[in-house]
Amino acid sequence: NAGVTQTPKFRILKIGQSMTLQCTQDMNHNYMYWYRQDPGMGLKLIYYSVGAGITDKGEVPNGYNVSRSTTEDFPLRLELAAPSQTSVYFCASSYQGAGVTLDNEKLFFGSGTQLSVL
Amino acid sequence: AQKITQTQPGMFVQEKEAVTLDCTYDTSDPSYGLFWYKQPSSGEMIFLIYQGSYDQQNATEGRYSLNFQKARKSANLVISASQLGDSAMYFCAMREGIFSGTYKYIFGTGTRLKVLA
Repeated sequence: NAGVTQTPKFRILKIGQSMTLQCTQDMNHNYMYWYRQDPGMGLKLIYYSVGAGITDKGEVPNGYNVSRSTTEDFPLRLELAAPSQTSVYFCASSYQGAGVTLDNEKLFFGSGTQLSVL
Repeated sequence: AQKITQTQPGMFVQEKEAVTLDCTYDTSDPSYGLFWYKQPSSGEMIFLIYQGSYDQQNATEGRYSLNFQKARKSANLVISASQLGDSAMYFCAMREGIFSGTYKYIFGTGTRLKVLA
């Protein structure tokens, strides 16, 4: 029962480099999210997706891109890495269906990716 | 305007005592969900407890209970009989968006709890 899987766990980038953070879930969840957590801070929403082919911006989308070609995968792309993007990135998923139940509400998290841009 | 407010950056509690972590929220959605997550030093996010806005009773999960006061828009987490393993960062979060049909989860800035032996 894998849940939400993120890769890589750690990465160091040079300024201006690009990379893709991978996220996949095996729970058939329709909603997927990308958050960033700066040191000692809460989580801020970067992008989210309500289903395959549909994505939208969150609070802090600048410098990032996403795509959702399948239900399972939701990669996050950094095009021109900047030191301000040094953070821990969490992918999460949830199932939003009929009725308000814990199963429909709970947010499941990946283990995070620690990214440093130097 | 901040939608989830956690006013306690850090808290100390003696082992075996109870502690309350504060959370206030702001939303115009008639239906929303409130959550608490624990983040230990290892970094993973661990779900603790959930309260639906229409739930009449306060949620409980083992040693965790959520003191839900809808009129005051507060959702405080109570940890009873604190253990050393409870030392962690705790986040309050809210799911909103029932009107727009796009569900988003918003997090507070967290409270770092240290349990003292």
